[in-house]
Amino acid sequence: EAGVAQSPRYKIIEKRQSVAFWCNPISGHATLYWYQQILGQGPKLLIQFQNNGVVDDSQLPKDRFSAERLKGVDSTLKIQPAKLEDSAVYLCASSFGPNTEAFFGQGTRLTVV
Amino acid sequence: AQRVTQPEKLLSVFKGAPVELKCNYSYSGSPELFWYVQYSRQRLQLLLRHISRESIKGFTADLNKGETSFHLKKPFAQEEDSAMYYCALVHSGNTGKLIFGQGTTLQVKP
Repeated sequence: EAGVAQSPRYKIIEKRQSVAFWCNPISGHATLYWYQQILGQGPKLLIQFQNNGVVDDSQLPKDRFSAERLKGVDSTLKIQPAKLEDSAVYLCASSFGPNTEAFFGQGTRLTVV
Repeated sequence: AQRVTQPEKLLSVFKGAPVELKCNYSYSGSPELFWYVQYSRQRLQLLLRHISRESIKGFTADLNKGETSFHLKKPFAQEEDSAMYYCALVHSGNTGKLIFGQGTTLQVKP
């Protein structure tokens, strides 16, 4: 079974630059999550989609972060402009529905210098 | 506020020794709790959930509502159990949003 695919795996940018991450969920999964994992901490939800609608974006720093899930399949997460504190692993996860098992991608490790 | 606390950043045991990874939570109502594991260079994956009450890879976890704990246990640790373990609960909004603890690295020495 193909898992959740994310790209790129690694990204290094300078502060104030912009960056975008891509996620392709498991086929048929209606729910998609973006988590941020800062070094030494557990993952923290940034945004959750149900199909192409946003369910929860309460912890998304909306002045600099944005995400979309056009057509209810792939999703992109963008940061513009990046700050040093955005250095983290960005995890995408998907599930059939909100209360079924979530499957995680490998993550994108972002370093902001 | 809903919160998950894993008090140990690192737990180091010898092969064959018992393991207990601690997890405490703060939640009003009936929580749904999970343990996730991340092996080296692999993705985060579900290990077990308290609702299923099953044993996975020899690990078990019992929900203790009185102590608000969900400790992960294994009677005899194996070297392949070395990994990062995260305790998590589902947010009360029932959206599937997971709230994770800080994680505990389990190191099983030969």
